[in-house]
Amino acid sequence: DTAVSQTPKYLVTQMGNDKSIKCEQNLGHDTMYWYKQDSKKFLKIMFSYNNKELIINETVPNRFSPKSPDKAHLNLHINSLELGDSAVYFCASRQEFGGIYFGPGTRLLVL
Amino acid sequence: QQPVQSPQAVILREGEDAVINCSSSKALYSVHWYRQKHGEAPIFLMILLKGGEQKGHDKISASFNEKKQQSSLYLTASQLSYSGTYFCGTDKGANTGKLIFGQGTTLQVKP
Repeated sequence: DTAVSQTPKYLVTQMGNDKSIKCEQNLGHDTMYWYKQDSKKFLKIMFSYNNKELIINETVPNRFSPKSPDKAHLNLHINSLELGDSAVYFCASRQEFGGIYFGPGTRLLVL
Repeated sequence: QQPVQSPQAVILREGEDAVINCSSSKALYSVHWYRQKHGEAPIFLMILLKGGEQKGHDKISASFNEKKQQSSLYLTASQLSYSGTYFCGTDKGANTGKLIFGQGTTLQVKP
């Protein structure tokens, strides 16, 4: 059983396109995240949702829009993709006072 | 404020010990440790909460000195499987949900 899953695993697209990444967790956790990892391996928090409610919104361009239809799902939509958006995007979940469990990552390459 | 890890990289022989440090300029509520292998997602190792905790499992343990705002990860009798990048993550409040990661320490264990 996969704890945190996300699709697609790889995404190669042209500048200016719009793309979405989907995430689901079956751990029953209340909190879900999107993290971005750049080429230097720096893991940066983008968004956090708790029970479908946005609680953390870092200084991310508003081209990035998260959506949580229920507490087990957190999707990320990106408009007008730019070269600098190329990175690995990790979805993750966490129960209160627990560790973070990451999905396998989506490797986004913008050409 | 991103925590600072040291050293940036370590190369060991199998069976040797290593210590990875994580320091913050701000008061901490908890410290997390994760290991990430190349091309994979970070894996949760352990969480240490305010109160001067020390934890461990197998030959990996950690300590948290809240007065010094520091945590250390101890890898004893390292194995080849310990190779990867280690990240500490710090949480400033009681489960604010905002986990900020250090820049990572790359550990390579050679036979």
